[in-house]
Amino acid sequence: SAVISQKPSRDICQRGTSLTIQCQVDSQVTMMFWYRQQPGQSLTLIATANQGSEATYESGFVIDKFPISRPNLTFSTLTVSNMSPEDSSIYLCSVENWQAYRPEAFFGQGTRLTVV
Amino acid sequence: DQQVKQNSPSLSVQEGRISILNCDYTNSMFDYFLWYKKYPAEGPTFLISISSIKDKNEDGRFTVFLNKSAKHLSLHIVPSQPGDSAVYFCAASMNRDDKIIFGKGTRLHILP
Repeated sequence: SAVISQKPSRDICQRGTSLTIQCQVDSQVTMMFWYRQQPGQSLTLIATANQGSEATYESGFVIDKFPISRPNLTFSTLTVSNMSPEDSSIYLCSVENWQAYRPEAFFGQGTRLTVV
Repeated sequence: DQQVKQNSPSLSVQEGRISILNCDYTNSMFDYFLWYKKYPAEGPTFLISISSIKDKNEDGRFTVFLNKSAKHLSLHIVPSQPGDSAVYFCAASMNRDDKIIFGKGTRLHILP
């Protein structure tokens, strides 16, 4: 298993500002994932953060809006830039392990962002 | 295009009865299916999974059934307990190099 610490747990931000969310894992992992869960929606993958290379973004998400850092194998940050009310969501950091030949994802507690 | 669908946003079940949460998928290439449970203000936690080569996997009060021909899986909780009240996410993955795709979730209320 993996223990993931994510902060802040919640924030209320003014539109036009940026927020950086931090994610710390208790073990070294190759890939870290950033998800968004908007109200009533799926957990949607934003991007995959690989150590030593640029993050890989999913369709509909761009680096200018969601820059990601991955300075080492246990830490990553996601920045939500130039925020608007539509960015209000829960943002989750995740890592995946293969346990007994099946995938399993471990999540941080999430960051509840409200943009006003 | 949603590849993993949970069509019931919420479900209420009497304590002690069976809870059945349903999930449909569209991609026949999925190899693994997983269920996650999420309490408010916490991240999702892994509950149970099933490989596409099986049709049933049981772990205590939780059983997952897979019907590949119907592209349908279900999570059975029996007997249901108050602590089972949470949001349950169905998820699927193709292989080691592929991401896990989640459904929208179903909020389960266990009634006293």
